[in-house]
Amino acid sequence: DGGITQSPKYLFRKEGQNVTLSCEQNLNHDAMYWYRQDPGQGLRLIYYSQIVNDFQKGDIAEGYSVSREKKESFPLTVTSAQKNPTAFYLCASSIGDRGEQYFGPGTRLTVT
Amino acid sequence: SQQGEEDPQALSIQEGENATMNCSYKTSINNLQWYRQNSGRGLVHLILIRSNEREKHSGRLRVTLDTSKKSSSLLITASRAADTASYFCATDANLPEYGNKLVFGAGTILRVKS
Repeated sequence: DGGITQSPKYLFRKEGQNVTLSCEQNLNHDAMYWYRQDPGQGLRLIYYSQIVNDFQKGDIAEGYSVSREKKESFPLTVTSAQKNPTAFYLCASSIGDRGEQYFGPGTRLTVT
Repeated sequence: SQQGEEDPQALSIQEGENATMNCSYKTSINNLQWYRQNSGRGLVHLILIRSNEREKHSGRLRVTLDTSKKSSSLLITASRAADTASYFCATDANLPEYGNKLVFGAGTILRVKS
């Protein structure tokens, strides 16, 4: 089965702790993306990567970090510097950088 | 940077009726895409329409694009309870400051009552 997997589905952390969200794809897509979704709102881009070992900040990158060491993997770290980290996080990938995006099932992060 | 805005914010219809959602955007675009999201899940791509296209069909979906008005509409015909979801438009802006990325609107919540 080809697709994007995100783990875990639910994640709970204490304030002040860093946490890493996993995103893996076996679609052989070059581009990968991380979005944040808050209740009743659309998606906001955190980071994106068009190729291995390269990534760019999106609209709300502060308090987040990423790496792209392998084509298949694009983990997102939510650091303690992120002021309001509780949200639904979605990972996506695409063949090129202008076509349709394929989304994972999401990770709901709750920080207390 | 909110590029696309959907209208209405929420829509409630009876099964069998048609549902129309609208999207307005601000800049020149390469393409516009529509996605569906079931509650608590990831987004699913529905349809992509390029800036030089005016209408596109896929099954019960019909999308129109009016670049002069910077607007698009998504029509779902003969709706079913399973169509209940949030629908988002996303624009691929044709401007350097937007880079190679999609910008999503806030979405329309569609509820189809059986």
